[in-house]
Amino acid sequence: DAGVIQSPRHEVTEMGQEVTLRCKPISGHNSLFWYRQTMMRGLELLIYFNNNVPIDDSGMPEDRFSAKMPNASFSTLKIQPSEPRDSAVYFCASRPAGQSNQPQHFGDGTRLSIL
Amino acid sequence: AQSVTQPDIHITVSEGASLELRCNYSYGATPYLFWYVQSPGQGLQLLLKYFSGDTLVQGIKGFEAEFKRSQSSFNLRKPSVHWSDAAEYFCAVGAGYQKVTFGTGTKLQVIP
Repeated sequence: DAGVIQSPRHEVTEMGQEVTLRCKPISGHNSLFWYRQTMMRGLELLIYFNNNVPIDDSGMPEDRFSAKMPNASFSTLKIQPSEPRDSAVYFCASRPAGQSNQPQHFGDGTRLSIL
Repeated sequence: AQSVTQPDIHITVSEGASLELRCNYSYGATPYLFWYVQSPGQGLQLLLKYFSGDTLVQGIKGFEAEFKRSQSSFNLRKPSVHWSDAAEYFCAVGAGYQKVTFGTGTKLQVIP
C-alpha cells in the first residue's frame, strides 16, 4: 500500500518566491491535514479538509498561506510570498473519514528552507 | 476542547532499561488517545491507540500504554529499550469529530 506521498522532499528558495508543496493522500482517505513542525513551536496544525472541503483553517498563520484540495487524491499548500520564518518541515497526513478515533497517516514531510 | 501535556521534553535511558513516557490529557468524556513516534527525517508513525475496551493496549515495536481515567493519563511504556528506539514520541488526543491535538513531544535518547 502506498502511504501519503509528499513532494518535494526538500525545497530551498529565496525569500519572496512562491512555494508550492504537494500531497497525495492514501486512496480512500477522506480527511487530509497539513502540519508545520519547527523546533520553536513543535507540531502545528495549519488546516484540514473533509471530503475536499476545508473544515478548519484557524492554524494558517497569515494570508500568505493558502491550501487547496481540488480532488480526493491531491492537495497543495502554497506560500506566496515566502519569508525566512516560513522555514520548517511541512507534513501532510490523511485518515479515513469519520470520528477522530481513526489514526492519521503521515507523509515523510517537505523540508523547506527560505533564504 | 481537548488538550494534551507531555511534561518531559527530553529523556535519556540506558539500553536495556525500562522506559515510561508520560502523557496527560484534558477532556470531559473518554477521549481517543494515540502515541506516535518520529524518527529523524521521517513523518510520524502510529505506535498504538486507545478508544474503548481494555485499558492496557499493545502496540508495535514492543510498546504498550495504559489508559487511567482517574489520572487522566495515557503513559507509554517499554520494558527494555533498544538503541533503535531513540526518536521523538508524541501523544495525541481526539474526541468525536474534532481534530486531533498533539502534545509537544518527548525526545528519547538511548545510551549504550
